[in-house]
Amino acid sequence: EVHLVESGGGLVQPGGSLRLSCAASGFTFSSHHMNWVRQAPGKGLEWIAYISISTNVKNYADSVKGRFTISRDNAKNSLYLQMDSLRGEDTAIYYCAREDTSGWYAFDSWGQGALVTVSS
Amino acid sequence: DIVMTQSPLSLPVTPGEPASISCRSSQSLQHGHGYNYLHWYVQKPGQSPQLLIYLGSNRASGVPDRFSGSGSGTDFTLKISRVEAEDVGIYYCMQYSQTPTTFGQGTKVEIK
Repeated sequence: EVHLVESGGGLVQPGGSLRLSCAASGFTFSSHHMNWVRQAPGKGLEWIAYISISTNVKNYADSVKGRFTISRDNAKNSLYLQMDSLRGEDTAIYYCAREDTSGWYAFDSWGQGALVTVSS
Repeated sequence: DIVMTQSPLSLPVTPGEPASISCRSSQSLQHGHGYNYLHWYVQKPGQSPQLLIYLGSNRASGVPDRFSGSGSGTDFTLKISRVEAEDVGIYYCMQYSQTPTTFGQGTKVEIK
């Protein structure tokens, strides 16, 4: 069974940093492109970052470009999101999401999410 | 960026009755091979989103056949033929035709 488990969330002050992890199991992690999607409290879904299988392609939403860094370690079946210069508007649940391998460009599995709260 | 617009944003439904959600994109989501990179997700209360429909009209694994998707280009529709209590949640359309990937605002389906 596919499992994606985020960790590393918590309370951080504005301007601070946090690193989220997403542990993958139940599938061949190295065969899937991966993404981070976030959801502010009571709001909709916002895609924020993508990383290709081989890490040679990384894309970011304008809202996080230059502040967040996506990475992965295929040997450890793990996805990461380094978040720097955090702002209040970064407060959200952060989901890791797996892309399908069939060429649909759909997110076919999601983690349960990690809550990040940016507040002084 | 491609803007995704859903309507309605709130949809009270009676169990057993049909329901329909519209999703419109600011640019065509159809590529040369005919695929529309438009997907539907549902986020049930307290849960993470889950894939419902991919490429506009294909049900994801395990999705009941009362759910159907249709449309092409810029206009898409998600239909529930007979709503059940377990269908409550927020439904999102998402495009992956162009980076950045963007979502609709979400449609909250609730039981009357």
